[in-house]
Amino acid sequence: EIVLTQSPATLSLSPGERATLSCRASQSVSNYLAWYQQKPGQAPRLLIYDASNRATGIPARFSGSGSGTDFTLTISSLEPEDFASYYCHQRSNWPLTFGGGTKVEIK
Amino acid sequence: QITLKESGPTLVKPTQTLTLTCTFTGISLINRAVGVGWIRQPPGKALEWLAFIYWDDEKHYSPSLQSRLTITKDASKNQVVLTMANMEPVDTATFYCAHRRSNANFDYWGRGTLVTVSS
Repeated sequence: EIVLTQSPATLSLSPGERATLSCRASQSVSNYLAWYQQKPGQAPRLLIYDASNRATGIPARFSGSGSGTDFTLTISSLEPEDFASYYCHQRSNWPLTFGGGTKVEIK
Repeated sequence: QITLKESGPTLVKPTQTLTLTCTFTGISLINRAVGVGWIRQPPGKALEWLAFIYWDDEKHYSPSLQSRLTITKDASKNQVVLTMANMEPVDTATFYCAHRRSNANFDYWGRGTLVTVSS
């Protein structure tokens, strides 16, 4: 089973700041890594797929990078609606796995 | 428009079997490459993938829960059913069903249903 480790667990930032979230896989997942955003009481929403592709309707301030075992989600300038939890997810191998999440909170 | 909706009991007792149904519109499990999966999330915790079924009845399960899980489909009813045996209080979670095509990601999710395990 591929374990995804996200860091940091919590990120305290102000609106307008840049957010950098990390996801590390226990073995290579090639580029089969996605990022989801989740707000309280809501289902996750797909942001980035295949490491660097924005899903439909996702603003350009969200970007993903990486391959193999190390991945990054960057939010270039935080908007108020971006304060939420973020999860990485790999589809390279069964079983599918999710990371433990990073909560981006208002400083 | 693709929609998914989870239904089932909100409260189950320890040792009971949980049965959840995912009813969907806008997709069909008759069509090649279409699949539906289940993911759960304990309160305040991370997402955990549970099970997945493809249009051709190929199935996958979380290894840690495989002995307790069964996933089935009824394409004619546009439904996927998940059963989870021997429920315990630690299984209290919001359960989501979600759509995924082959070689793609979960892109459409239901709103989730909270299941509490308590005597």
